[in-house]
Amino acid sequence: EAQVTQNPRYLITVTGKKLTVTCSQNMNHEYMSWYRQDPGLGLRQIYYSMNVEVTDKGDVPEGYKVSRKEKRNFPLILESPSPNQTSLYFCASSSGTGVFHNSPLHFGNGTRLTVT
Amino acid sequence: GESVGLHLPTLSVQEGDNSIINCAYSNSASDYFIWYKQESGKGPQFIIDIRSNMDKRQGQRVTVLLNKTVKHLSLQIAATQPGDSAVYFCAEKGAGGYQKVTFGIGTKLQVIP
Repeated sequence: EAQVTQNPRYLITVTGKKLTVTCSQNMNHEYMSWYRQDPGLGLRQIYYSMNVEVTDKGDVPEGYKVSRKEKRNFPLILESPSPNQTSLYFCASSSGTGVFHNSPLHFGNGTRLTVT
Repeated sequence: GESVGLHLPTLSVQEGDNSIINCAYSNSASDYFIWYKQESGKGPQFIIDIRSNMDKRQGQRVTVLLNKTVKHLSLQIAATQPGDSAVYFCAEKGAGGYQKVTFGIGTKLQVIP
């Protein structure tokens, strides 16, 4: 089954404790992206990757890092989480031609992060 | 449950009736539009898309209408079912090269049995 898999689904942590949210897709997609979703604000892009070893900042990159060492994986790293990073996070992927030639994003089921 | 549904405009529809969800987009240069459905506890799911050279596109029980003159997009769901209850949001993408997708805040659809 074609899917985007995120782990964990729920995570509660404390301020300053480094964490990683994993994302993996099995559709051989070139493009991957991370979003956060907050009430009243909709989906906002954190980072995206056009292909292996190619990453770029989205609209709200502060406090986050990503890496793209393999095509299927795109982990989101919070080096020193803060309470304002409490949110619902989504990973998404799209076929390589999609970014330029229009194809929809495929989303994971989300990671609910709480930073206390 | 997830809190993403809070603070959203809500549309309540009787089961079996048709639903119309509206979206105003901001960029007149956008050339690709997508509707997503997000159920509680899940990620957004693609429903239907439309390119700017079209005014209407139909899927199974869903129709998307695009009015470029007033920058308006609508999603029509025929014979609404309880399983259609979810948050629906539109997304737009600009033309030419890499253009990121911009998402609307969404509308919560409640189907009354």
